[in-house]
Amino acid sequence: EVQLLESGGGLVQPGGSLRLSCAASGFTFSSHAMNWVRQAPGKGLEWVSAISATGNIKYYADSVAGRFTISRDNSKNTLYLLMSSLRAEDTAVYFCAKGIVGATLHAFDIWGQGTMVTVSS
Amino acid sequence: QSALTQPPSASGSPGQSVTISCTGTSSDVGGYNFVSWYQQYPGKAPKLMIYEVNKRPSGVPDRFSGSKSGNTASLTVSGLQAEDEADYYCSSYAGSNNLVFGGGTKLTVL
Repeated sequence: EVQLLESGGGLVQPGGSLRLSCAASGFTFSSHAMNWVRQAPGKGLEWVSAISATGNIKYYADSVAGRFTISRDNSKNTLYLLMSSLRAEDTAVYFCAKGIVGATLHAFDIWGQGTMVTVSS
Repeated sequence: QSALTQPPSASGSPGQSVTISCTGTSSDVGGYNFVSWYQQYPGKAPKLMIYEVNKRPSGVPDRFSGSKSGNTASLTVSGLQAEDEADYYCSSYAGSNNLVFGGGTKLTVL
């Protein structure tokens, strides 16, 4: 079964850091670009970051550039998002999502169930 | 980058057709054939319904179709069913390695 499973969410103080993980199974992880998309409570979807299949190309939304770092370990079939200098507006459910074949960030055909990040003092 | 504009709500009776619009600019929707549509039930992950304007992933019913004209993309759901009641989001590649989503449309089946 094709599956993505996020972990690492939780409550963190403003200015703090958190690392999210996304474990992939059921498909050839190393062949696909991966992304993070977030959804603030009661709000819409917001693209956060993308990483190429090999991990050598990374893209970020302006809202997180310089604070978040995306990475992947293809030997462990795992995607990561290191979030630093967290702000209240980063509070959201964070989804990892697999890019469709041949695309880095324009369409996502597999999504995880999401992990909640709450930034509050 | 500004979000794409979707109507907050849409509705239709079972068996009817409903169309949800997604308006952007020439820098996103109008500039690329990389518009996607996602269906999301409350508390669940989004599901890809349409990609590259009008392509359906395997397993998505052909009742769902996509199109684009100028800076506006559209998702049409034909033969509405109760299970189609959900939130729908459009997205578009916006150049410069950026992706933008719409604000979402809540579809109600009357």
